[in-house]
Amino acid sequence: AQRVTQPEKLLSVFKGAPVELKCNYSYSGSPELFWYVQYSRQRLQLLLRHISRESIKGFTADLNKGETSFHLKKPFAQEEDSAMYYCALKAGANNLFFGTGTRLTVIP
Amino acid sequence: SAVISQKPSRDICQRGTSLTIQCQVDSQVTMMFWYRQQPGQSLTLIATANQGSEATYESGFVIDKFPISRPNLTFSTLTVSNMSPEDSSIYLCSVVIGNYEQYFGPGTRLTVT
Repeated sequence: AQRVTQPEKLLSVFKGAPVELKCNYSYSGSPELFWYVQYSRQRLQLLLRHISRESIKGFTADLNKGETSFHLKKPFAQEEDSAMYYCALKAGANNLFFGTGTRLTVIP
Repeated sequence: SAVISQKPSRDICQRGTSLTIQCQVDSQVTMMFWYRQQPGQSLTLIATANQGSEATYESGFVIDKFPISRPNLTFSTLTVSNMSPEDSSIYLCSVVIGNYEQYFGPGTRLTVT
């Protein structure tokens, strides 16, 4: 069965510090992984997906199949990065399985 | 991209009653999804709603409790029937555009007293 684990419910970092939000997954098939973000009073939106291997708003995430991880990283956190972050795994046609989320707070 | 609206944005309902949530998309989409996010929990898929066919429910969710309509390619409704306090959640509508990008509505915050 598929599972997405985000071990940290809350994460606080100082502005300008590096940030890493952890995500581990369990899936027997070929994984397709995503990071979604929800800013205060806004709807959930896609931040990035592993297939595109792109950097969005300074964030990157590399799929590590050996460690079954898809951690989200940013070298220098900004105050506007404060939000709820969800790691998600696509299983089957279009089903997305979400982790429990990590609330990131960037301290000025 | 897709713009999704949901009605109502929030509601407070008495136990035993039913609430129908509407989801409107600004473009035609094949697949629509309904998710639930209980307090402090992650998003859980309730069902997939395809136009012209019955919705497909995930384990733990049944049609009698969560009937879904999908009359056309831009609209869907989810009804939460015979509500109990455990149904207090945020209910989200979602669609897939293209091969991968999933867009979410703003959610409907339901409180059952």
